[in-house]
Amino acid sequence: EAGVVQSPRYKIIEKKQPVAFWCNPISGHNTLYWYRQNLGQGPELLIRYENEEAVDDSQLPKDRFSAERLKGVDSTLKIQPAELGDSAVYLCASSSRDTSGGQETQYFGPGTRLLVL
Amino acid sequence: AQSVTQPDIHITVSEGASLELRCNYSYGATPYLFWYVQSPGQGLQLLLKYFSGDTLVQGIKGFEAEFKRSQSSFNLRKPSVHWSDAAEYFCAVEGTGGFKTIFGAGTRLFVKA
Repeated sequence: EAGVVQSPRYKIIEKKQPVAFWCNPISGHNTLYWYRQNLGQGPELLIRYENEEAVDDSQLPKDRFSAERLKGVDSTLKIQPAELGDSAVYLCASSSRDTSGGQETQYFGPGTRLLVL
Repeated sequence: AQSVTQPDIHITVSEGASLELRCNYSYGATPYLFWYVQSPGQGLQLLLKYFSGDTLVQGIKGFEAEFKRSQSSFNLRKPSVHWSDAAEYFCAVEGTGGFKTIFGAGTRLFVKA
């Protein structure tokens, strides 16, 4: 079974430029997460989707960040314009409830490492 | 509010020695608890999780963790460390009811020959 796929793996851009990240979750996983991981820190949730609905975007800087999950499968995360402080690793994860309808386990992709110059 | 503390930024152990990574959490009830490992350039891989029941949880790669409610801790242990265990380890807590997952800052493990 394929895991969570993210692209690109690395991106270098100049500040004020736009950038987009793509995530393909594990097949059948209804929940999709975008995290940002700064150097030396743990991941911080940016947004969580249940199918195509964003159910938690409280940590998403909405002035420059946007995300979408059309058709409830793939998702894109966009930054426009990028700032120096956006340099980080952007992780995508997906999950589904286990067969008993209980708790979910998140599976992470390899991340996109963004460097803003 | 939920929070997770990993007191040790980095730990160095000799190959074959035992390992314990500390994790303390703050939450009003019993949360869901997780340990993840992240190798350089890789995403996070789940080692083990605690939802309920037996407080000693077995995970992959020979790791185990013990939930201690009285100490608000969920420490990760391994009896004999291998060089391939060198990585960053993250403890995470999720509130019951589907609240978001909060990660600790991580502990980097170095293994010396």
